[in-house]
Amino acid sequence: GAVVSQHPSWVICKSGTSVKIECRSLDFQATTMFWYRQFPKQSLMLMATSNEGSKATYEQGVEKDKFLINHASLTLSTLTVTSAHPEDSSFYICSSLRTEAFFGQGTRLTVV
Amino acid sequence: DAKTTQPTSMDCAEGRAANLPCNHSTISGNEYVYWYRQIHSQGPQYIIHGLKNNETNEMASLIITEDRKSSTLILPHATLRDTAVYYCIVRRKGEYGNKLVFGAGTILRVKS
Repeated sequence: GAVVSQHPSWVICKSGTSVKIECRSLDFQATTMFWYRQFPKQSLMLMATSNEGSKATYEQGVEKDKFLINHASLTLSTLTVTSAHPEDSSFYICSSLRTEAFFGQGTRLTVV
Repeated sequence: DAKTTQPTSMDCAEGRAANLPCNHSTISGNEYVYWYRQIHSQGPQYIIHGLKNNETNEMASLIITEDRKSSTLILPHATLRDTAVYYCIVRRKGEYGNKLVFGAGTILRVKS
């Protein structure tokens, strides 16, 4: 069964609004989670590393004020896309590592 | 980080073995080779990983050359459900801890 659960699986929002995506580790404690973004017909691009109890670490070129990450507990990390615009429409995926990486089901965000 | 090179796409007949190659000529001694696949609009799925010995599990076999500069993922009896993008990743260990960086992957099309 799934060990990383992501919610929602899809969301449509209006331009200018914020959207929160949740990522939960179901049967293990995850001190670190990873957030990826994937545009159509492209590979996964790592956005940031979410660290429990501390600030997230963002990859170069990713706006930390736009993509807010909170990792308040060992089982939950959230990604909030603030003031979303159509160009933020993408497939967002979270992941956590044990001996191998487990991925959430992904969230399809469409900003209209 | 060691980079990987994979063919852009491959076709395979249903029921036949699918052999997916990966070059990782700059891999270092403590880096593992991981394989994941992503079926359309889903999160990636772990397949198998190895360090230097060949590995086999219920999904696939992983053959790593003696010099570790390349590997091959083998799906022994491909089915239509194996159609996906397959990613070969060399796992790096950085200050952020074991994050996975995805390349372009190989699109495997299994045809009846």
